[in-house]
Parts: sequence; C-alpha cells; structure tokens
Amino acid sequence: ETGVTQTPRHLVMGMTNKKSLKCEQHLGHNAMYWYKQSAKKPLELMFVYNFKEQTENNSVPSRFSPECPNSSHLFLHLHTLQPEDSALYLCASSQDSFRGGTEAFFGQGTRLTVV
Amino acid sequence: GIQVEQSPPDLILQEGANSTLRCNFSDSVNNLQWFHQNPWGQLINLFYIPSGTKQNGRLSATTVATERYSLLYISSSQTTDSGVYFCAVEHAGANNLFFGTGTRLTVIP
Repeated sequence: ETGVTQTPRHLVMGMTNKKSLKCEQHLGHNAMYWYKQSAKKPLELMFVYNFKEQTENNSVPSRFSPECPNSSHLFLHLHTLQPEDSALYLCASSQDSFRGGTEAFFGQGTRLTVV
Repeated sequence: GIQVEQSPPDLILQEGANSTLRCNFSDSVNNLQWFHQNPWGQLINLFYIPSGTKQNGRLSATTVATERYSLLYISSSQTTDSGVYFCAVEHAGANNLFFGTGTRLTVIP
C-alpha cells in the first residue's frame, strides 16, 4: 500500500466510448502526475499538477483530458481513443514538484485496452 | 534530454544468489529513485537515493552522483524478488522523473 489508489484496475473501452480514470492520494502531497507505460517503452510523463494547477503537459493528444479538483484527487478523462492508446496508466504523487528533489509514490495502475 | 540506461536488461538467478543492478545517467540529477514493479504493475518504492548508500533488509543501494551511476544490490534473492526494477532520475529543472528501461529479474526456486 503506497497511499495512492487508482480505479478502475482494468478497463476495456471502444474507440467511441468516454471513460474516466480516478486517482486518490492519502499522503497530503501537493503534486500529482499521470504516467503512461506502453509495452517495450519507458514510462512517459503525461501531466503534472502542483497545488491543483497543471504545470506540465507533455504534448499529450487532446483525447486525454486531465482534471484535478483538489490536491488529493486526479482524473484522466478519455474519449475517442485509439488502439495504440492501450497501456498501463499510472498515477503518482509527491510532496512537492520534482524540481525540489522529492520522492514519488505510485498507484497500482489502470490497465487500459482500447478495442 | 537525459539518458538513463540500466543493465543488465534481463537477469535470471537461482534462489539465494546475490545480484547487482546498474543505472547510468548522462547528466547531473537532483533525485534518484529505485522501484520494483510487480507482475500486477504496481511500482513499489525501494530507495530514494540521490547520493550515498542506504540499506533496507536484503536490499541496498549506492549512488555516486559525481560519476553518474547508481547500483542496487539484492542479496539472498527470493522468488518474490522477481519483477522489473526501474531506476528513475530527476534532471535539474525538468519537473519529471525520467525512467530507465528496467532490468527484468527472474528468481527461480
């Protein structure tokens, strides 16, 4: 148990569906992140939120839409995805942004399959 | 961007054996972490070690920041140690953890 919880653990969706991934952290951290892990590729940063404000968007297509209503919750809204978007999506949190040298904690991930 | 290389890419051990995993990085870093990803995808924190040496049970890690590498030592390996080990670094100002491609460890009984 890392203190970061993601739901659902598995998701299968069609290309025309709309779904959302949820992340909640119980660590009192100020920064939250979405990462994508595809087969045969290193983990890639997607979005960074610090104190609820988006500070990084790593050239992510607009079919991925993040939302951070407060410092404890982070969502990733998905719509009109492509099969190549199938991957493990990982949420992380840290006390402060990585620039300050801070430890990151990850959730269990959501394994997404787009059919 | 910064390059993070891990070696070896794959490692098979007999239960009880010791091993050393290596992480090389191409530039100075403010932050370095080692993670273990279990078969279900969970990334488990092993060490937060931007410099120096730390030990936690059968695992220990050393980072020599001036020479741009870190080592993870696993002693008396167990089957539950199987999985992928990742090194991740924060490169000054990037506000991102850059991950290596990992070392896949398989411990056989």
